[in-house]
Amino acid sequence: DQQVKQNSPSLSVQEGRISILNCDYTNSMFDYFLWYKKYPAEGPTFLISISSIKDKNEDGRFTVFLNKSAKHLSLHIVPSQPGDSAVYFCAASVTRGAQKLVFGQGTRLTINP
Amino acid sequence: EAGVAQSPRYKIIEKRQSVAFWCNPISGHATLYWYQQILGQGPKLLIQFQNNGVVDDSQLPKDRFSAERLKGVDSTLKIQPAKLEDSAVYLCASSQAPRGLRNQPQHFGDGTRLSIL
Repeated sequence: DQQVKQNSPSLSVQEGRISILNCDYTNSMFDYFLWYKKYPAEGPTFLISISSIKDKNEDGRFTVFLNKSAKHLSLHIVPSQPGDSAVYFCAASVTRGAQKLVFGQGTRLTINP
Repeated sequence: EAGVAQSPRYKIIEKRQSVAFWCNPISGHATLYWYQQILGQGPKLLIQFQNNGVVDDSQLPKDRFSAERLKGVDSTLKIQPAKLEDSAVYLCASSQAPRGLRNQPQHFGDGTRLSIL
């Protein structure tokens, strides 16, 4: 049962343009969502998060949008830079209780010069 | 601030052997997690500790996997005996305790890549 899904295994974007990574979830109890970035041979690095009481959170070039009715969130990177090339994981949890994170399968983003 | 430390970085063993991984979380982080990441998939939680107590181990294969967090700081994860399907990266993460209704992000170590021959 895949509660968090990232349906695009890979995405290629030109440097300077916008990168949009998508994530869908099925569990309506999820109320806290995160994006992690992972380089090869390193652990995932926390990027940005959003609580279900918001529909947008922005941090520099990174913005996460949450559409609760559609159970969908997206990560926008503007402008995209070569250093953004990595695997991006979407994760979700329930705030109350154990805060267990459920991850998607990841999307490999490649920024082309 | 030092990050989450894990060792070893790589381990190769034969099936049916045993192996242990070590994790030192970020100082002051009460919650510690062990994840298994199989190639091409996202990390999957194996066990979660709050201080030295287990909060969630529902996805830990308890017939072969065990974990402990003595004194509420360092943790070890053991596999005995290993199977071919245990080949994966084992990630340790830690986080501060939740503050009211605000969740805290988990911070990951670089993982141990385990290969079973």
